[in-house]
Amino acid sequence: EDQVTQSPEALRLQEGESSSLNCSYTVSGLRGLFWYRQDPGKGPEFLFTLYSAGEEKEKERLKATLTKKESFLHITAPKPEDSATYLCAVQAGMETSGSRLTFGEGTQLTVNP
Amino acid sequence: NAGVTQTPKFQVLKTGQSMTLQCAQDMNHNSMYWYRQDPGMGLRLIYYSASEGTTDKGEVPNGYNVSRLNKREFSLRLESAAPSQTSVYFCASRPRDDRGPRKPNEKLFFGSGTQLSVL
Repeated sequence: EDQVTQSPEALRLQEGESSSLNCSYTVSGLRGLFWYRQDPGKGPEFLFTLYSAGEEKEKERLKATLTKKESFLHITAPKPEDSATYLCAVQAGMETSGSRLTFGEGTQLTVNP
Repeated sequence: NAGVTQTPKFQVLKTGQSMTLQCAQDMNHNSMYWYRQDPGMGLRLIYYSASEGTTDKGEVPNGYNVSRLNKREFSLRLESAAPSQTSVYFCASRPRDDRGPRKPNEKLFFGSGTQLSVL
């Protein structure tokens, strides 16, 4: 059974204080790892896709990295508008006709001004 | 474009009542999904539709039915609501993946959710 564990559950940062969120996964045949951002009362919004170990993706203050066991979402000099819940998801196994993402529970990030 | 539109946004039901959650997307996406989100559980797939005319069970399909009415619309029905179905429900859609099986395109577009309480 595919498993995705995110840590920490919640993180409070001061504006400008860089940090990292962790996503550990146990899957059989990783096909892709995905990061989403979710604001309160809204649906998740896609951020990144990573396909293989060593791959990195960047968007503004966010950088996602991938190893064979985990992914990190690095947040550099965060701003209050980066406050959200960040979700990690994996797709693994044989190709199917539909999306079989396994989501983690998320990390709730709060950036104080 | 409105993206993915879900209705209603909030709903309170009594145990045993039925209701249908509506979802429509205007992005011409082939695949559509219904997820539920519960505290401490993450998002879990209820049903999905890879294309118009097809539907398949996800991780937690019991107590639900779906209809892919056309390419735009995908509805979720609770025939006899139970307190365990209290949750936030999200509809999502995904464009056709032309990059092959080695690079799945899991850029899902989500609606804003329906908060359902079953008393």
